[in-house]
Parts: sequence; structure tokens; C-alpha cells
Amino acid sequence: AQSVAQPEDQVNVAEGNPLTVKCTYSVSGNPYLFWYVQYPNRGLQFLLKYITGDNLVKGSYGFEAEFNKSQTSFHLKKPSALVSDSALYFCAVRLIKTSGTYKYIFGTGTRLKVLA
Amino acid sequence: SQTIHQWPATLVQPVGSPLSLECTVEGTSNPNLYWYRQAAGRGLQLLFYSVGIGQISSEVPQNLSASRPQDRQFILSSKKLLLSDSGFYLCAWTSEGQGNTEAFFGQGTRLTVV
Repeated sequence: AQSVAQPEDQVNVAEGNPLTVKCTYSVSGNPYLFWYVQYPNRGLQFLLKYITGDNLVKGSYGFEAEFNKSQTSFHLKKPSALVSDSALYFCAVRLIKTSGTYKYIFGTGTRLKVLA
Repeated sequence: SQTIHQWPATLVQPVGSPLSLECTVEGTSNPNLYWYRQAAGRGLQLLFYSVGIGQISSEVPQNLSASRPQDRQFILSSKKLLLSDSGFYLCAWTSEGQGNTEAFFGQGTRLTVV
């Protein structure tokens, strides 16, 4: 079955330290991969995506993610964490259905806590 | 620019009452529209998606239904709410025709069934 996994329920990091939020996927073909952030009682905000090309993609708010095809991973990173980065982060993959339409499936989310 | 509106933001409804949540998209045409439910502040479950007016696909069997009466309007409904329908409901859109690949989300509706 095609899926997205976020193995960590929560990640704690000190302010100013680098952060990594992990994501692995299991899909056929070349995946379209995404990261979203959600603040309490809000919708999801798009951070960045990987479609093709350079394995390191840069997104909003200083975040970046590295696509690794051999490890089927798409980890989210930031060199220096801010307290305001504390939120729930979702990894997602776009699947093409047999009808030709698209479906997006999401991981279970990782709560990031940046400690002052 | 494109925007997505979802309302109401919060809703408290008694068990057995009907439900209607509305989502509209502006600034684009013929979007793909999606309803997701997020339980307990965690993972998202795709409930319905629509590729055009009157075209609804259901992902999971449930007490809810969806309709798309206009190109940019997507409605989530129930005739009789259950306690288990409580959750955070998110509407999203994509528009492959404009070269976009990511999904854009509304601000969500928190539904509490009491």
C-alpha cells in the first residue's frame, strides 16, 4: 500500500539548534512530496515541495528538505530553530489515481517543540 | 490570487441534528476540491474529493455526504450527526491546470457533537 510515515510523534529542540523532522514514503513511480505546517486550530500551510531536480529544496520560513530516493525519505530541516517554529508538521505525497485524478495522503504529523 | 473560504470556524451541534459546512474557492476555475477530517489534532483522513460539478468520490464509508453544486463550492453534510463525527474539518483545493501541484487549505471548522 502506498503510504507516508512520520516516525516521531514529537521532536524537541533548543532554540538556535538545527532541527530535523523525518518523513519516509512508500509509493510507486516518482513521488511528488510536500511539507505543511499547522498552528493550533488553523488550516495547513504549505512549506515546500519536491517534484524533480535538485534533491535539496528550500521553502518558507527558512525551512528546507532533502529528497533521498535510495532511502525513500524526505526529511524537513532548518539550520537554526525558533520558538515560533513550534507547531505540527505534516509530510504528504501526491498519488495519481487510476481515474487520472490526484489524491494527497498525509503522514500522522510530528509535533515540533522549540524550547527557549 | 486564489483564496479559500471555509465556514463556520466552530460549531457545536447536538447528536441527531443536521450538518452543513461550506467551502468556496476564489480566483481559480475548475479546481479539484477535497474534504479532510483531522481527529485529535493529528493525522488527516481524506473524506471526499471532487473533480467537477456534481462529481463526488467518497474515500471512506461514513455518516457524511458531500455535494458540489457550483464549480467553486463544496459542501459537507449530514442528516443526523453522531458523537463520532466530532473533529476538525478541512477543505482543500488543487488546480492541476494552472501548473500548481500543492494543495491549499482553508482555515478549518471545529465541530463538536454533544
